[in-house]
Amino acid sequence: GQNIDQPTEMTATEGAIVQINCTYQTSGFNGLFWYQQHAGEAPTFLSYNVLDGLEEKGRFSSFLSRSKGYSYLLLKELQMKDSASYLCAVRDSNYQLIWGAGTKLIIKP
Amino acid sequence: TAGITQAPTSQILAAGRSMTLRCTQDMRHNAMYWYRQDLGLGLRLIHYSNTAGTTGKGEVPDGYSVSRANTDDFPLTLASAVPSQTSVYFCASSDSEHYGYTFGSGTRLTVV
Repeated sequence: GQNIDQPTEMTATEGAIVQINCTYQTSGFNGLFWYQQHAGEAPTFLSYNVLDGLEEKGRFSSFLSRSKGYSYLLLKELQMKDSASYLCAVRDSNYQLIWGAGTKLIIKP
Repeated sequence: TAGITQAPTSQILAAGRSMTLRCTQDMRHNAMYWYRQDLGLGLRLIHYSNTAGTTGKGEVPDGYSVSRANTDDFPLTLASAVPSQTSVYFCASSDSEHYGYTFGSGTRLTVV
């Protein structure tokens, strides 16, 4: 079966750095996405990785290793507004997105 | 503002009743999707449409039906609601491999 694993919840301090991991086992691979979802709101697109390596976008970076079935989302200089759930999703061989259950990130002052 | 509009925002529905969740996009995206999101579970695909006139079943299609008469509209119908269909429903669309999906604001449905 297809499976996306990410931690259920993480806590970090304002101003610090946090890394959210995602491991996947899917039928084929056509890209990995990270989304941010604030409570009661829709998911919004953060990043896309299809090749191995690091993609940097401001305070957020996303890393992919296809051979290890592994990705992480790195958030720097954490702000209170970063408190949200972060969803990892993989596009499989049928070009459908398979979603992880999400990681709830709690930022403390 | 361009995007996806879902209606209603929330609804309480008696078991056994039917209901249609509306979804309209103005981005001219070819592909559209319906997901349900339940606590502790990832987004689960109900139905999808790769282009107007075609639809397909996702991971959890039972009890739901869709139609795609044109590019903009993708309604989801519950023929006879059951309490297990209590969930938050998101409509999404996509037109590019590289930028994933754009989501609507969701419909919170409670079946009692």
